[in-house]
Amino acid sequence: DAGITQSPRHKVTETGTPVTLRCHQTENHRYMYWYRQDPGHGLRLIHYSYGVKDTDKGEVSDGYSVSRSKTEDFLLTLESATSSQTSVYFCAIWTSGGEGTDTQYFGPGTRLTVL
Amino acid sequence: AQKVTQAQTEISVVEKEDVTLDCVYETRDTTYYLFWYKQPPSGELVFLIRRNSFDEQNEISGRYSWNFQKSTSSFNFTITASQVVDSAVYFCALSDPAGYNSGGGADGLTFGKGTHLIIQP
Repeated sequence: DAGITQSPRHKVTETGTPVTLRCHQTENHRYMYWYRQDPGHGLRLIHYSYGVKDTDKGEVSDGYSVSRSKTEDFLLTLESATSSQTSVYFCAIWTSGGEGTDTQYFGPGTRLTVL
Repeated sequence: AQKVTQAQTEISVVEKEDVTLDCVYETRDTTYYLFWYKQPPSGELVFLIRRNSFDEQNEISGRYSWNFQKSTSSFNFTITASQVVDSAVYFCALSDPAGYNSGGGADGLTFGKGTHLIIQP
C-alpha cells in the first residue's frame, strides 16, 4: 500500500459537464500520474507530474487538464466531459530510493460514466 | 516509440496446471524497467515484479517465476500449480530511461493490453 487514495470512487455525469478527479498521496512522492483503462487498450497515460506545478502530457491528453498545487494532491479535470471519456481512471506514484525500490504503485481507481 | 505486446488475450486452464503469460517489448533504449501487474476482479492493480534491463537473472517467488531474455525482448511470467485465486488480468509494462536513470521517477509506463487468465476449478 503506497498511501494513495482517489476520490470520488464512482461518478456518473452528463455530457458537457466539468468533472474533477482527485488523487491524494501521503508519502511525499515527487512523481504522480493519471492513466485511463479501457477494454482492449490496457492502461494509457494521460498526464503526469514531476513536482509541484510541474506537469507534462502523456499519450492521451486531449480533453484533459491537470494541476498540482501541493505535493500530495494531483487533480485531473475534464473541462467538458464526453461519452468517450467514460473509463476507469487510475492515479499512480513512483517510489524512489535507488534501484532497489523504484516502482510504480497505483491507487484504487475511479469509475467515471459520462451519459 | 516503445511498445509492449501481450499476444494472449485470454488463457483458460484447469487448476493445478502450469501457465505462462507472454510479454514482448520494443524499445530503442538500453536502460529501462519491466513490470508485471495483476488486476483481480475487484479492479485494483497489484504490483508483482520489477526487473531492470541489466539483470537477466530469472526470478522465482513462490509459485511465480519470471524469465527475462533481452536477446528476444521478452519478459514472460509463469505460474506453477495454478489456483483459482490466480484468476485475473495480468499486465506487462515498460518504463522509459528516465525511470531508470533519473533516480527520481519515470515519464510513465507503456502497458500491454493484458492477458485475462481464467483458472477453472
